[in-house]
Amino acid sequence: DTEVTQTPKHLVMGMTNKKSLKCEQHMGHRAMYWYKQKAKKPPELMFVYSYEKLSINESVPSRFSPECPNSSLLNLHLHALQPEDSALYLCASSQVVTVSNYGYTFGSGTRLTVV
Amino acid sequence: AQSVTQLDSHVSVSEGTPVLLRCNYSSSYSPSLFWYVQHPNKGLQLLLKYTSAATLVKGINGFEAEFKKSETSFHLTKPSAHMSDAAEYFCVVLAGTSYDKVIFGPGTSLSVIP
Repeated sequence: DTEVTQTPKHLVMGMTNKKSLKCEQHMGHRAMYWYKQKAKKPPELMFVYSYEKLSINESVPSRFSPECPNSSLLNLHLHALQPEDSALYLCASSQVVTVSNYGYTFGSGTRLTVV
Repeated sequence: AQSVTQLDSHVSVSEGTPVLLRCNYSSSYSPSLFWYVQHPNKGLQLLLKYTSAATLVKGINGFEAEFKKSETSFHLTKPSAHMSDAAEYFCVVLAGTSYDKVIFGPGTSLSVIP
């Protein structure tokens, strides 16, 4: 299995809702990432998990809350979002120590619309 | 400081003609370099990578790129464009060995005219 699977593919939520994005990989990768991508822009790093521990938080607002329950799963919990948070949310994974040789494997993303 | 420049925000080619997407980088380290492609409403797919082995790198779908240290460039080429190549292309630098030191270029949108 060489894929990163993200669910749901599309999500529309109100500003008072609570929702979660899910990401799963079974490649044995021990680094997992959340990226946010606005239209016509490159992805922006949000969070990095390494060996199930949060290692990087790129000053992301607290209305985004990541969780890594195990080495295969990564969640992003959403609460009280703003319309400007509407974007494509991408999950990625990689080898930890050899990412320079292998790069990143990305999921297809969740298209989030906040109304 | 590390950085990536993609010299063209948009490139348009006719089907069957060559493709050239330009990427220049700045890095204090010996970098690893990647090209990713993103079709509309899709995730990013790895096209090819340079990791200090051969300077001419072949990737999927007929793409290749040449690492030129003297020019700090890693341009992406394809001899003959296909309609399915229309997409956004990102040049990515991994500055150092740390998994978090990834820098995306701004992207180049490729259009293929029938």
